[in-house]
Amino acid sequence: GQQVMQIPQYQHVQEGEDFTTYCNSSTTLSNIQWYKQRPGGHPVFLIQLVKSGEVKKQKRLTFQFGEAKKNSSLHITATQTTDVGTYFCAGGVAQKLVFGQGTRLTINP
Amino acid sequence: SQTIHQWPATLVQPVGSPLSLECTVEGTSNPNLYWYRQAAGRGLQLLFYSVGIGQISSEVPQNLSASRPQDRQFILSSKKLLLSDSGFYLCAWSGGLNSNQPQHFGDGTRLSIL
Repeated sequence: GQQVMQIPQYQHVQEGEDFTTYCNSSTTLSNIQWYKQRPGGHPVFLIQLVKSGEVKKQKRLTFQFGEAKKNSSLHITATQTTDVGTYFCAGGVAQKLVFGQGTRLTINP
Repeated sequence: SQTIHQWPATLVQPVGSPLSLECTVEGTSNPNLYWYRQAAGRGLQLLFYSVGIGQISSEVPQNLSASRPQDRQFILSSKKLLLSDSGFYLCAWSGGLNSNQPQHFGDGTRLSIL
């Protein structure tokens, strides 16, 4: 079936370093959504991108949707310990939302 | 505002026992409802979704079933649990089946099979 691939699976950084996770699909997505799951918690919706080449920012987080609407990225500038968790992308494919496998971010304070 | 309730929060069950997990949504009508399973440290696997009362779509063949007896109630069941059914079960709702709608998750149920 249709898959949305997300890399890397794990990322460990020093506090203050930047972090990026990437999401790729073999087919065009109607939209891309990003979710954050804190350790022991449930996924929480962060943002949605719909337009080709769209870029949105939330404080230190920058979200991009590729021109072909097949890839996306989430970039965190100057990570803080509160950024710890697993970040999931989810792409709209044929009326369904397909989740990537997530990138688990751990931070060394 | 809309809220989603899921219970129990944790559950320990012996192999072969039945299962019933319940999820209810408040503050919205005719939501689309979803059941996901998340293995430890893994991604979200969509198990079932429902667009209305009595309407259930299964995404993967398995030992589980789902029912929607009321508009805002979604139940996940099993007649006989397997060891492989262990995991973190998440219920979610969205405002429409259109994939442009964000999904909102409950707190989840951690199920351990002994």
